[in-house]
Amino acid sequence: GEDVEQSLFLSVREGDSSVINCTYTDSSSTYLYWYKQEPGAGLQLLTYIFSNMDMKQDQRLTVLLNKKDKHLSLRIADTQTGDSAIYFCAESLYNTDKLIFGTGTRLQVFP
Amino acid sequence: DTEVTQTPKHLVMGMTNKKSLKCEQHMGHRAMYWYKQKAKKPPELMFVYSYEKLSINESVPSRFSPECPNSSLLNLHLHALQPEDSALYLCASSQVGQGEKLFFGSGTQLSVL
Repeated sequence: GEDVEQSLFLSVREGDSSVINCTYTDSSSTYLYWYKQEPGAGLQLLTYIFSNMDMKQDQRLTVLLNKKDKHLSLRIADTQTGDSAIYFCAESLYNTDKLIFGTGTRLQVFP
Repeated sequence: DTEVTQTPKHLVMGMTNKKSLKCEQHMGHRAMYWYKQKAKKPPELMFVYSYEKLSINESVPSRFSPECPNSSLLNLHLHALQPEDSALYLCASSQVGQGEKLFFGSGTQLSVL
């Protein structure tokens, strides 16, 4: 199957950490990605992780991958109001050019 | 240059019109994509071109006709669209292969009246 699920909404206070979760079903995924979409804009690639890794850190972003449970998370440290956006996880399927997007999580950051 | 440029940014068309969406990249990417995104939904893949050849068509209606004139350009020709085709149309490009990063344009917001 190709279903990628995310919780719909997350609200955090400025300065706190945000954790956005994603579950996927296709065990043949090679890479998993996090994209950010601001209103009226396209998607911006934030970070990605290869399927044989379990963690990747990139400045304020930490990606955790639990391949056994098919669970991916994105932690944003010191969340800022500019981080308010919709976050999509995505998986690339083995031996294809297809990228399957999750349902998206709207992150709202309040002062 | 790490941009994918899409034109126009907004388009309003009637159901009998013919219009085209354009996409351009100069990153040397040989895979280009069209995605459709409805409000509050994830992008849905429509077409993939690999080395200027159509490699994936996700059962898209024939009123959408893609074209890849060269490795830097991707067009989407629109004809006899329906109001339910109103959406944000996103172009993306990547290196060819498994799991390569996609770079997205900012999209064309299409309204069909």
